[in-house]
Amino acid sequence: QLVESGGGLVQPGGSLRLSCAASTSTFSSYWIDWVRQAPGKGLEWVAIISQDGSVNYYVDSVKGRFTISRDNAKNSLYLQMNSLRAEDTAVYYCAKDWGRRMDVWGQGTTVTVSS
Amino acid sequence: ETVMTQTPLSLSVAPGQPASISCKSTQSLLYSDGKTYLSWYLQKPGQSPQLLIYEVSSRFSGVPDRFSGSGSGSDFTLKISRVEAEDVGVYYCLQGTHLRTFGQGTKLEIK
Repeated sequence: QLVESGGGLVQPGGSLRLSCAASTSTFSSYWIDWVRQAPGKGLEWVAIISQDGSVNYYVDSVKGRFTISRDNAKNSLYLQMNSLRAEDTAVYYCAKDWGRRMDVWGQGTTVTVSS
Repeated sequence: ETVMTQTPLSLSVAPGQPASISCKSTQSLLYSDGKTYLSWYLQKPGQSPQLLIYEVSSRFSGVPDRFSGSGSGSDFTLKISRVEAEDVGVYYCLQGTHLRTFGQGTKLEIK
């Protein structure tokens, strides 16, 4: 099971750190994704991180602003979001990436960027 | 960037009738390990997405056999043999070969 937290209302240009807690001892075995969904829109892949955190990739629209990281000792995944824009407003999901598919999803946390 | 294009964007199907959704990618999804990483998801209203099909045609645990996937290269299809009321929602394809990209989604409603 994956549980996201940390969402909220933030002003444009502000920062927010999302967390994703996993209730499994095998957390360190998986790549993990962040996926977002803007209001009334489809799913957009945001970022992915390798099992040990040494490899990560981002969608172009967040490169240089968002940082994905993980702490396997705490079974936790993070997304540090800086320089937030209105278009970053979305529900953010973490998802376990196994065999290049997302087989376990969290319930999502809502980020609203507005003044 | 690999772009995924789904058609149609919406579908209205009577219960018991079949449904089909197409997903095309701008480049082949055949990976160097010989596998093709195309998966399908259903997002029911108010819920998180759930995995239905992976590697083109393998059904995920617990997914009814009325769901099937097919295709190869850059052209894929999700079929529902007999639509039921619980199948309502938005269906997404996802390519996992070149990082990750979702299709735009196809909304399925019941007539």
